[in-house]
Amino acid sequence: EVQLLESGGGLVQPGGSLRLTCGASGFNFRSFALSWIRQAPGKGLEWVSTISGSGATTDYADSVKGRFTVSRDSSNSTLYLQMNSLRAEDTAMYYCAKVSGGYDPSDYWGQGTLVIVSS
Amino acid sequence: DIQMTQSPSSLSASVGDRVTISCRASQSISSYLNWYQQKPGKPPKLLIYGASSLQSGVPSRFSGSGSGTDFTLTISSLQPEDFVTYYCQQTYISPRITFGQGTRLEIK
Repeated sequence: EVQLLESGGGLVQPGGSLRLTCGASGFNFRSFALSWIRQAPGKGLEWVSTISGSGATTDYADSVKGRFTVSRDSSNSTLYLQMNSLRAEDTAMYYCAKVSGGYDPSDYWGQGTLVIVSS
Repeated sequence: DIQMTQSPSSLSASVGDRVTISCRASQSISSYLNWYQQKPGKPPKLLIYGASSLQSGVPSRFSGSGSGTDFTLTISSLQPEDFVTYYCQQTYISPRITFGQGTRLEIK
């Protein structure tokens, strides 16, 4: 059974940093890209970042480029999102999602971790 | 980026009704269109991928169609648990995916 479990969210002041973690199990970790997707309270879904299965390729939404860094560790099947220079508009539930092949749907999602940026 | 526009933003219907939700892309995305269902407080769940393929375990009352720029999600006979929010997603320019704004399905 595929499982994704996020952690690391919390309350942080504007300008601060947080590192989100997503532990994965139930699939060949190295074979699939993983994404971070966020959802502000009461709002829709926004793609944040994706990292390839090998970790060699990363991509970011313009809204977070230069502030967020995605990485992965195959030795412990974990995905990370380092978030720096946080802003109020980064407040959201952050989900990690496994990217399937073919049409690249996000076929499995974690339960999410909530990030609140506020003074 | 490719813009995805869903219509309507909200929809009132009754149990047993047949409903359709539309999604339009700002440029052709072939069949790189996926549909998700999201219940309150839960992550999205994949329903349809590749515009018309039903994800394993999803009830057959859900179906998808379309290609190019215009797509539809159809629920053939609404059940009480279907009154939640639905999103379309384009993966044509993966990984720079984008979502529609969502359609909230409400009980009439």
